Amino acid sequence: GAVVSQHPSRVICKSGTSVKIECRSLDFQATTMFWYRQFPKQSLMLMATSNEGSKATYEQGVEKDKFLINHASLTLSTLTVTSAHPEDSSFYICSARQGARTEAFFGQGTRLTVV
Amino acid sequence: AQSVSQHNHHVILSEAASLELGCNYSYGGTVNLFWYVQYPGQHLQLLLKYFSGDPLVKGIKGFEAEFIKSKFSFNLRKPSVQWSDTAEYFCAVNAQGSARQLTFGSGTQLTVLP
Repeated sequence: GAVVSQHPSRVICKSGTSVKIECRSLDFQATTMFWYRQFPKQSLMLMATSNEGSKATYEQGVEKDKFLINHASLTLSTLTVTSAHPEDSSFYICSARQGARTEAFFGQGTRLTVV
Repeated sequence: AQSVSQHNHHVILSEAASLELGCNYSYGGTVNLFWYVQYPGQHLQLLLKYFSGDPLVKGIKGFEAEFIKSKFSFNLRKPSVQWSDTAEYFCAVNAQGSARQLTFGSGTQLTVLP
């Protein structure tokens, strides 16, 4: 299957700072990328959907000014958690899809800890 | 909106035992159904998927799932599990023809004892 690389896999930051997470499709062009958040023992919750060259579409309850998503190219999307707080600590996962195919491929996730 | 329920949060089996993980979804229209597996420290991987046709779907590593439309279910099965099947399993659904991404169940942690 196609490969999606997410970086970093783990990050610890101080409260009030910003953190950027990258999601790259290594061997295909990802016209659509998705960002999920997963709390311990819970399911993946979709945060936003981004299409290359367009503004991201955020799910209800997700603050777009806090979770900045950029999808500037067909192989890269970034999620920036701005002014992070301890409650933003979570596991963030991206997935990427090429064209109209309904199968998406997932990155390995990023464990964010805000102290 | 669709929702997915996985009733088994943690399943513990011995090697060679048979496995069945439940998945029920709620949606009024036609859906695509998926099972993903997440091995410890690794990313989500697709086990199998159902779009249409034969409701019994065979996936990788000996897994299969059966779509029962009348029950809104898509249970995952494997006749004989191995220690290497220890992982978290997620059922997911999206509406056919929709550009939206998947809705996931809460996941089932499977532990296989050697």
